[in-house]
Amino acid sequence: DQQVKQNSPSLSVQEGRISILNCDYTNSMFDYFLWYKKYPAEGPTFLISISSIKDKNEDGRFTVFLNKSAKHLSLHIVPSQPGDSAVYFCAADNAGNNRKLIWGLGTSLAVNP
Amino acid sequence: DVKVTQSSRYLVKRTGEKVFLECVQDMDHENMFWYRQDPGLGLRLIYFSYDVKMKEKGDIPEGYSVSREKKERFSLILESASTNQTSMYLCASSTGTGAYEQYFGPGTRLTVT
Repeated sequence: DQQVKQNSPSLSVQEGRISILNCDYTNSMFDYFLWYKKYPAEGPTFLISISSIKDKNEDGRFTVFLNKSAKHLSLHIVPSQPGDSAVYFCAADNAGNNRKLIWGLGTSLAVNP
Repeated sequence: DVKVTQSSRYLVKRTGEKVFLECVQDMDHENMFWYRQDPGLGLRLIYFSYDVKMKEKGDIPEGYSVSREKKERFSLILESASTNQTSMYLCASSTGTGAYEQYFGPGTRLTVT
């Protein structure tokens, strides 16, 4: 029973355009969300996060939007670059339970030159 | 910068062998985690530890055990390796208070033949 869902296994965009990666969750007690990026044969690296008291957080080309009423968050990458091609994981805190994170299955992003 | 290192990047073992995967972090983090990543299945938590000698089962602990004798080191043990344990193994650490971010090592690609 997936509490964090990334419904698109893959996404393909053109270089320079916007990439939008989506994530839905079911537990309204989650209060912190994170996005990670993973290249093949490497460990995931933290990208950006957002607290449930905010609806937007921005860091350079990356912006995360949170819609609590819809239990939905999205990661926007503008402009997309070929180096952004990776698997992106959405994660949520496990309601403060020893800092375990609940992970989505990931979305593979391909940015085409 | 947080540094999480794993003992091997690639490992090939035979069915029935005992396998040790080691992870070391240098940031004095309380929490340490072992995950495995398989295509289409995301990151699945095997075990985690929130203090020295303390451990909790994750979502898929069967066939694995762990050891945390020192704060900086967390070992994953496959008592009798099987082919279905062929996977990418990822270690992560996080602080016990404050931020939720987990920091990952580079991963160990284990093949059991």
